Amino acid sequence: TQLLEQSPQFLSIQEGENLTVYCNSSSVFSSLQWYRQEPGEGPVLLVTVVTGGEVKKLKRLTFQFGDARKDSSLHITAAQPGDTGLYLCAGADDYKLSFGAGTTVTVRA
Amino acid sequence: DTGVSQNPRHKITKRGQNVTFRCDPISEHNRLYWYRQTLGQGPEFLTYFQNEAQLEKSRLLSDRFSAERPKGSFSTLEIQRTEQGDSAMYLCASSLGWEGEQFFGPGTRLTVL
Repeated sequence: TQLLEQSPQFLSIQEGENLTVYCNSSSVFSSLQWYRQEPGEGPVLLVTVVTGGEVKKLKRLTFQFGDARKDSSLHITAAQPGDTGLYLCAGADDYKLSFGAGTTVTVRA
Repeated sequence: DTGVSQNPRHKITKRGQNVTFRCDPISEHNRLYWYRQTLGQGPEFLTYFQNEAQLEKSRLLSDRFSAERPKGSFSTLEIQRTEQGDSAMYLCASSLGWEGEQFFGPGTRLTVL
């Protein structure tokens, strides 16, 4: 059972379109991390958000942490085929990360 | 490249056999974690070490699983008497301190026939 719920489960869009994926939890976390994972590989850390209401931008990716530190969103502007992958959010509680099931994003050329 | 490395990358075994995986963390990281990921799910925490001490084990880690980090550097995860339900990707991560971000290795894909 995943503590974090991610939506949608799958997302397929055309190159150049925008997309948003969501990560929601009933628990408060000290921080929340977003990872991207490609098939057969380990997750690669994209960003860590710590403060409620925090917004971080990484090129075309915008990450937001909810005021109550229970939810987060990832917005990708002008998606490219290289953005294809499984996007995972993970809530940090001391030593342990609790992951969502992920959103599989496919960007068609 | 000084990231986290894992060996082997793939392991196919027959039910009932024992398997051992190795993880080499980022050299200055004192914390090392093991996770398991099955198809369609995010990684699930198994256990973690601070230096050579194993400080927490998930209830997912049955008696057939054992992990060690003898000198506080590399770690091994052994599964005895493997079962088909053990088939998964086993991921290792490391961090610096308890607030440090966790960096993952490429994983070991285990298939139990």
